[in-house]
Amino acid sequence: AQSVAQPEDQVNVAEGNPLTVKCTYSVSGNPYLFWYVQYPNRGLQFLLKYITGDNLVKGSYGFEAEFNKSQTSFHLKKPSALVSDSALYFCAVRDISGYSTLTFGKGTMLLVSP
Amino acid sequence: GAVVSQHPSRVICKSGTSVKIECRSLDFQATTMFWYRQFPKQSLMLMATSNEGSKATYEQGVEKDKFLINHASLTLSTLTVTSAHPEDSSFYICSARDVNRPALYGYTFGSGTRLTVV
Repeated sequence: AQSVAQPEDQVNVAEGNPLTVKCTYSVSGNPYLFWYVQYPNRGLQFLLKYITGDNLVKGSYGFEAEFNKSQTSFHLKKPSALVSDSALYFCAVRDISGYSTLTFGKGTMLLVSP
Repeated sequence: GAVVSQHPSRVICKSGTSVKIECRSLDFQATTMFWYRQFPKQSLMLMATSNEGSKATYEQGVEKDKFLINHASLTLSTLTVTSAHPEDSSFYICSARDVNRPALYGYTFGSGTRLTVV
């Protein structure tokens, strides 16, 4: 079975500082990895995905994520955080070998202070 | 880009009544839609996979008779919470997959429905 772990319930960072939201995954085959952001009482917005190719993936709003196969990680990063980045972030994985649904991590709340 | 419209965004209903939530793909066709439930400060729990023209596939532990799913067209899936109880209060989110795009690209989410049963 596939799974996703987001070890931090909450990440606090000051505006202008770099941020990292951690994600590790487990799948039986090659992973397709995703990051989504959720604002209060809203659905999920797609940020970025890793399918194949370059391990560093760039996405929306200045976010990027680095795929590390040996560490089975896909951490979300941003060089300079904004207060408006404060939201709930979900990492998700899908196994390309046939499982058609996404498995989500439990989410990490990012709080960016002014 | 692909847009999924979910309606209503908020609903309050009395215990024992039924509530229908709609999920529409506005600019693409979706043979498959997914229904999730999200508890406060928790992740999304997949409830069921809705397939156009066939019965939905429910995840283990989800009551089929309580959460009725209908996917009668390529652009509309509905989730009906029957005989709602306060414990059904939650945030429900749908997701649709574009039939014309590779499966791994086509996950677009609705904006969610906050259900409160009083």
